Amino acid sequence: QQPVQSPQAVILREGEDAVINCSSSKALYSVHWYRQKHGEAPVFLMILLKGGEQKGHEKISASFNEKKQQSSLYLTASQLSYSGTYFCGTVSGTYKYIFGTGTRLKVLA
Amino acid sequence: GAGVSQTPSNKVTEKGKYVELRCDPISGHTALYWYRQSLGQGPEFLIYFQGTGAADDSGLPNDRFFAVRPEGSVSTLKIQRTERGDSAVYLCASSLQASGNEQFFGPGTRLTVL
Repeated sequence: QQPVQSPQAVILREGEDAVINCSSSKALYSVHWYRQKHGEAPVFLMILLKGGEQKGHEKISASFNEKKQQSSLYLTASQLSYSGTYFCGTVSGTYKYIFGTGTRLKVLA
Repeated sequence: GAGVSQTPSNKVTEKGKYVELRCDPISGHTALYWYRQSLGQGPEFLIYFQGTGAADDSGLPNDRFFAVRPEGSVSTLKIQRTERGDSAVYLCASSLQASGNEQFFGPGTRLTVL
C-alpha cells in the first residue's frame, strides 16, 4: 500500500513555514524524505529510523512516529529553492521501497 | 566523484520491440534499485539488487521485464515486446548497503513506446 501524503499541493510565500505529512497503513522500519524538481531525479533529504527519531538540517526537519505509522516533514522559513515535489519513502520489513503519493510545493517570491 | 549514470537518456521505440536500459551505480555501492516513474506520480519500485542477486523483484509488472547485474556493479533492465503502457521514466538508484541508507538517483531514461 502506497503511503498517503498530505497536503497534495501547497503554495507558500518566501519565508513561510510548511508541514508535509506521510501516513502508512503498514508498520514502518524507516522513512526517507526526497525532493524532486521538475525533470530531475529525486534528491535525498533525510532518513528517520525506527525509534521516534527526529532529524533536521538548518531549516528542514522531520519526525517519525512508528506507533502511528506517520512521519512529518517541517520546512521553516521557506526559500524559492524549496519548490518541488516532496516524497516520503518507506520500507516495511522487506527491501521493497515504496514512495508516497507526493506533495507539490511551490514557493513564491 | 561520479554519480549514478544511466544510458540512454532517451529511448524511442516501437510497440513490440525489445529495449535495454543501463545503469552505472556509484563505485562501491552494493545496493541497486530500479524504479519506474510516470508523469505526476512517485517512483514505483521495480527491483532491488544486493550485489549480483535480485533480493526483491516483486515490483516487476510482468515477465516481459527482467533485470541483471552480473558483476555486482552495472545493471541492465530489459523489456521485451514493449507496450505503449511501458512509456515512463526509468530511474536507477544505488546506495552503500540496503534499505537503511540514502539512495542516490541517476538522471533516468525516458522511454517512449510508439
